[in-house]
Amino acid sequence: SQTIHQWPATLVQPVGSPLSLECTVEGTSNPNLYWYRQAAGRGLQLLFYSVGIGQISSEVPQNLSASRPQDRQFILSSKKLLLSDSGFYLCAWSRGSETQYFGPGTRLLVL
Amino acid sequence: KQEVTQIPAALSVPEGENLVLNCSFTDSAIYNLQWFRQDPGKGLTSLLLIQSSQREQTSGRLNASLDKSSGRSTLYIAASQPGDSATYLCAVDWADKLIFGTGTRLQVFP
Repeated sequence: SQTIHQWPATLVQPVGSPLSLECTVEGTSNPNLYWYRQAAGRGLQLLFYSVGIGQISSEVPQNLSASRPQDRQFILSSKKLLLSDSGFYLCAWSRGSETQYFGPGTRLLVL
Repeated sequence: KQEVTQIPAALSVPEGENLVLNCSFTDSAIYNLQWFRQDPGKGLTSLLLIQSSQREQTSGRLNASLDKSSGRSTLYIAASQPGDSATYLCAVDWADKLIFGTGTRLQVFP
């Protein structure tokens, strides 16, 4: 069976510090991978998606970036966090346009 | 512009009631539509996926319908229970772009 992991579960970071969130998927190969953010009081927003290693599409302009160094690894990064980066970050995977399966999420608080 | 709207934003009902959550979307050229459940502080759980060629899907007490021509989907929950309390999200897939609605926060009280 397939499983998706995210870490850390919770993170508190000062403004201006770097960020690295990791997502890994087990039990499948060549998945589509996604990063979403849910800011307080707002809907879920797609940040990045990837259909293969090294292939990243960005949906919104921001100070975040994503990388896919391995088939089942997706990393969300920032060089300098902003207060507005606080939120709940979710990673998801799918086979093509089929159902997306979400990880447990990372709660990020930028102070 | 592709948009997804959910009504109502919040709903509070007594246990046992049947209820309907609504989702509307622009641009009928969708791949599929999904309904998710989100519990506070947790990841999303996929409830039902309706392909663009389908009209409805059922799972237990849940039934989701899709009318592409009118840009609407409904999630029907039968005999609601307190454990159904959560936020329900509708998401529409347009060519690998999944756009979520803002959700309906449901509370079912005993």
